[in-house]
Amino acid sequence: AQSVTQLGSHVSVSEGALVLLRCNYSSSVPPYLFWYVQYPNQGLQLLLKYTTGATLVKGINGFEAEFKKSETSFHLTKPSAHMSDAAEYFCAVSGFTGANSKLTFGKGITLSVRP
Amino acid sequence: DAEITQSPRHKITETGRQVTLACHQTWNHNNMFWYRQDLGHGLRLIHYSYGVQDTNKGEVSDGYSVSRSNTEDLPLTLESAASSQTSVYFCASSEGWERGADTQYFGPGTRLTVL
Repeated sequence: AQSVTQLGSHVSVSEGALVLLRCNYSSSVPPYLFWYVQYPNQGLQLLLKYTTGATLVKGINGFEAEFKKSETSFHLTKPSAHMSDAAEYFCAVSGFTGANSKLTFGKGITLSVRP
Repeated sequence: DAEITQSPRHKITETGRQVTLACHQTWNHNNMFWYRQDLGHGLRLIHYSYGVQDTNKGEVSDGYSVSRSNTEDLPLTLESAASSQTSVYFCASSEGWERGADTQYFGPGTRLTVL
């Protein structure tokens, strides 16, 4: 079984401030980890993913995330928030095969960016 | 450009009616998925398919069915719509070569209201 915990439902930052969105996972197999973003009235699109190799993963729009196995975490960061980053962010986990190969999503976090 | 489309984008129906939501992808992807998105629940998997004639139940499949007769389409049918099925429905597809590590590409969603 696998699960994702995204604490809190809403994060608000000022433009130019650090963005930190937390994600912790539970998985019985080595995890694949994903961050997806959903802009208003749109479908989800991939920001970044960790499969194997380097634990610091860089994605689109200046976002990055670090896989920390010891902490079962995959937190998303961006050094300087932009107004266009306002959206809902979903962390997701999957495994290699079988029942674990399907994505399990967290509940999502809404990011607001203040001018 | 390849894309994934959903129709209709908005649908209002009455309790007890049969409803079919369409999903069409031109990526030539093997895998297709249906999710529902509800506040406080994130995305939950309804049904999925790993290829033509293959369909599988997801986490919340009761009251829903799918069929896959070609690569491009995976229609979702609500046999007898219930108010609890009021939700936003997303279709997604992925290549299928990396199984759990695949990137999923999402459609724009269908907002369904059951009165």
